[in-house]
Amino acid sequence: EEQLVQSGAVVKRPGESLKISCKASGYMFIDYWIGWVRQMPGKGLEWMGIIYPGDSETKYSPSFEGQVTISADKSISTAYLQWSSLKASDTAIYYCARHRLGLGIDSWGQGTLVTVSS
Amino acid sequence: DIQLTQSPSSVSASVGNRVTITCRASQDISKWLAWYQQKPGTAPKLLIYAASTVQSGVPSRFTGSGSGTDFTLTISSLQPEDFATYSCQQTDSLPYTFGQGTKLDIK
Repeated sequence: EEQLVQSGAVVKRPGESLKISCKASGYMFIDYWIGWVRQMPGKGLEWMGIIYPGDSETKYSPSFEGQVTISADKSISTAYLQWSSLKASDTAIYYCARHRLGLGIDSWGQGTLVTVSS
Repeated sequence: DIQLTQSPSSVSASVGNRVTITCRASQDISKWLAWYQQKPGTAPKLLIYAASTVQSGVPSRFTGSGSGTDFTLTISSLQPEDFATYSCQQTDSLPYTFGQGTKLDIK
């Protein structure tokens, strides 16, 4: 059974950098696009972007392009989401998400809570 | 970006009731729409994809319909475990935007 296991909750200060991870198992990592979805406190889901681990082709939502970097290491079946300079408005739960293009997100990580506060 | 508008934003219903949630797209997305269920403190779960195909393991009381710009999710006979937030997502073109969500709670 496929599984996505994310790194744990973090608390950071504004301006700090951060990289969170998502370890995939139970399927061929390079066969699916994998991406990230943000959920701000009490709000809806926001699609951030996806990466194809086979060749690292990446597609971002315009709302997030330049704000975050999505990457993947196929040797360890792990996807990443990183920030170079966090803002308080980055406080949210971030879900990693396995995509079947056109057919939706069929597997989700448990979510990583990122809290940015001074 | 394609905008998705769900209605209603919230709905109250009783166990055994039939509930319908709608999702309207800002442009034609053919059949490329998915529905998710999310319970508090947990990740979303895929219910329906390609507008009307039920994901494996999802109860048959969940059905999806529609094409073009107008879509519906229907729960035929509400069970206690169905009280949750439901979100649509267009999977036609990038970025794969979501609707704002519909909260279904117990009357």
